[in-house]
Amino acid sequence: GDSVTQMEGPVTLSEEAFLTINCTYTATGYPSLFWYVQYPGEGLQLLLKATKADDKGSNKGFEATYRKETTSFHLEKGSVQVSDSAVYFCAFWMDSSYKLIFGSGTRLLVRP
Amino acid sequence: DAGVIQSPRHEVTEMGQEVTLRCKPISGHNSLFWYRQTMMRGLELLIYFNNNVPIDDSGMPEDRFSAKMPNASFSTLKIQPSEPRDSAVYFCASNPGHTEAFFGQGTRLTVV
Repeated sequence: GDSVTQMEGPVTLSEEAFLTINCTYTATGYPSLFWYVQYPGEGLQLLLKATKADDKGSNKGFEATYRKETTSFHLEKGSVQVSDSAVYFCAFWMDSSYKLIFGSGTRLLVRP
Repeated sequence: DAGVIQSPRHEVTEMGQEVTLRCKPISGHNSLFWYRQTMMRGLELLIYFNNNVPIDDSGMPEDRFSAKMPNASFSTLKIQPSEPRDSAVYFCASNPGHTEAFFGQGTRLTVV
């Protein structure tokens, strides 16, 4: 069935380090892909999105590229800040089922 | 628009009591989702509606849970009777179809 797999956390980095959080999906067809971020005590916020193959979503220094051939949508940031500490969720939307599928989330902790 | 509005933000209740969570989606959005988030199980999709009609309720844990959407601007999630294992953060989200969902701030439910 449709699913999203993302790397286990927590991921602990020092400030200014490079970040990669892996995400792969299993879906029939070509879904729209998203990364959401959840700060402590808050709801999920959309971070970036890509709606077709080879699209690159970007926001606040974060980037992810829709790779159809590897069914992946890995999140990257060149230099993380303490304020990036949060839980990151990979997700996709299927038009055929009107369903938004989430991964299990990856907690990021950035140390000063 | 004020975004997705959930009430209450916090609810503490005794085991066996009925609990009703409320959600007002963003105006014009025709899909609405209820999620539950716990440390152990992560983010789980409970039920979603399209044009006020329940499309998939396979995520509802058991008969004690029920959800309604009497009109396009209001939805409820009811638990009766509540149990301690229902303690979680419950999120409501809406979208206009085929795109990202917008989340409310969540209701933190504690059943003692």
